[in-house]
Amino acid sequence: DSGVTQTPKHLITATGQRVTLRCSPRSGDLSVYWYQQSLDQGLQFLIQYYNGEERAKGNILERFSAQQFPDLHSELNLSSLELGDSALYFCASSARQGENSPLHFGNGTRLTVT
Amino acid sequence: AQSVTQPDIHITVSEGASLELRCNYSYGATPYLFWYVQSPGQGLQLLLKYFSGDTLVQGIKGFEAEFKRSQSSFNLRKPSVHWSDAAEYFCAVGATNKLIFGTGTLLAVQP
Repeated sequence: DSGVTQTPKHLITATGQRVTLRCSPRSGDLSVYWYQQSLDQGLQFLIQYYNGEERAKGNILERFSAQQFPDLHSELNLSSLELGDSALYFCASSARQGENSPLHFGNGTRLTVT
Repeated sequence: AQSVTQPDIHITVSEGASLELRCNYSYGATPYLFWYVQSPGQGLQLLLKYFSGDTLVQGIKGFEAEFKRSQSSFNLRKPSVHWSDAAEYFCAVGATNKLIFGTGTLLAVQP
């Protein structure tokens, strides 16, 4: 058990809808990362927060947004969903940020858009 | 820009045989390198990491990896594979505020 909790585990929704994915980092970790994993794109970095502030952005679509709250949990909001958004979304956390920070991953949220 | 290449998409080995999974990185300076394993339906678990110093690093579950600067490689090895090692393995390099992952190698273990 990595200590990173993601909810829900599975989400099935229709095109055009909006969903929110939630992540609780390991106790004491200040940094939260979101990744998208799909068969054709592999593991893609979306966004990173450190102690409530956005610090790095990857290939995140404008329809997607995220935030990290004062209690350090994070939410990833996906709107105007398309079929191609179906994927496994991972949250990870680390104690600090930087190139030498190992990430600890949750078990992911599997999103299916129909 | 940093990048990671895992040349082998799929590898099959017999139980008890040795294993080597290849990873090549692109990075201007000394890289921070990681290997992760993902079992079906699970998140990624850290196997080992290389930051500096000894080029042979030991990890969990009997895995080790060797950093070779001259070859820009960080290959993962295990002397004797167990059926429970069947999973997908990802190599990653540290970048500013994120890890960049390779495309993964899916390991199948034959009895």
